[in-house]
Amino acid sequence: DQQVKQNSPSLSVQEGRISILNCDYTNSMFDYFLWYKKYPAEGPTFLISISSIKDKNEDGRFTVFLNKSAKHLSLHIVPSQPGDSAVYFCAATSNSGYALNFGKGTSLLVTP
Amino acid sequence: GAVVSQHPSRVICKSGTSVKIECRSLDFQATTMFWYRQFPKQSLMLMATSNEGSKATYEQGVEKDKFLINHASLTLSTLTVTSAHPEDSSFYICSARRGRLDGYTFGSGTRLTVV
Repeated sequence: DQQVKQNSPSLSVQEGRISILNCDYTNSMFDYFLWYKKYPAEGPTFLISISSIKDKNEDGRFTVFLNKSAKHLSLHIVPSQPGDSAVYFCAATSNSGYALNFGKGTSLLVTP
Repeated sequence: GAVVSQHPSRVICKSGTSVKIECRSLDFQATTMFWYRQFPKQSLMLMATSNEGSKATYEQGVEKDKFLINHASLTLSTLTVTSAHPEDSSFYICSARRGRLDGYTFGSGTRLTVV
């Protein structure tokens, strides 16, 4: 049973524009959320995270928004660059520090 | 930053043989490591949680006799795929967490192909 869902398998965005990647979760016990970037045949690399006590966290070109009532979060990348092309995974966990629950990922393609 | 080393990165083996995958935390001690499996275009699915000095905790549907996990030290966990079959072919990734909740670090993964 997928507790973290990324319903868009792929997204194509022009360079310089905004990329918005969405993620929904079903488990109300989740209170910490993370975004990872992954290239083929490599492990995921951490991008940005957000705690449930916040609704926004920003780090450079990356901003994550959390809507707890909707159990929805999104990752905004502005401006998008060709080097951002990768698969982005949304993950969730609880403060008890158990393992991460991942979505299926969204493949982002940023075209010049 | 925290580094997790995973070896081998790629392995091809014959059906019926066993394969061992190592996961090492290079600059920190990890009492808990996690093993994930990823099918093409699918999510990373947690297989088991590896606890140093005790038995691993397996997720539902994961055969513990097939996927043997050993966490003998604070810096090393191993996953052994026993009597491998073609359906075991997959991408296996380990992870260790250092401190904070955003401190999960992943190994580079192992592509296992069983022929």
